[in-house]
Amino acid sequence: DAMVIQNPRYQVTQFGKPVTLSCSQTLNHNVMYWYQQKSSQAPKLLFHYYDKDFNNEADTPDNFQSRRPNTSFCFLDIRSPGLGDAAMYLCATSRQNWGREKLFFGSGTQLSVL
Amino acid sequence: GIQVEQSPPDLILQEGANSTLRCNFSDSVNNLQWFHQNPWGQLINLFYIPSGTKQNGRLSATTVATERYSLLYISSSQTTDSGVYFCAVDFLMDSSYKLIFGSGTRLLVRP
Repeated sequence: DAMVIQNPRYQVTQFGKPVTLSCSQTLNHNVMYWYQQKSSQAPKLLFHYYDKDFNNEADTPDNFQSRRPNTSFCFLDIRSPGLGDAAMYLCATSRQNWGREKLFFGSGTQLSVL
Repeated sequence: GIQVEQSPPDLILQEGANSTLRCNFSDSVNNLQWFHQNPWGQLINLFYIPSGTKQNGRLSATTVATERYSLLYISSSQTTDSGVYFCAVDFLMDSSYKLIFGSGTRLLVRP
């Protein structure tokens, strides 16, 4: 049974055209994370929500925004995608904050920017 | 900041062989996790192991926190073990916990 679900699996957008990626979870976890992973690199944290509290990483570009309307759903908005934003975007959850619990990842959304 | 180094960066095995992957970290950490990323990109949590040894089937992991390293053992490797193995450590920085991934070990198991 899928526990962290990301849609779509593949997303193609145009340079500068806003795009939204979605993540849902059935685990009822408090924390949801968004990671960016470029080819052959480690995942890089963009931001996370602890419940409704939003925590942005200092080096996350302003072009990236997130919304969490309820416990189950979290969205990643890229306002004006550039070619450098092409990557795999991974959503993850944990029961509590940061490594005190296991992280569970979705299968990711591969974003292409044309 | 904390450094997380994994070795080897790349590994090729014949099916049935055993291997050991290593993760070194430069500072005291609160926890350590091992992940497997399959060729389709899915990251699976293998172990949550701040210290000691755990086993799960053909995989086992040992973390020696005082010496700042962790080992992942793969025995009787199978082609489905192929992919990238990441260790990730979390530690307290600026009053919040940060999860830092190593650069990964890319494993290819040949039939």
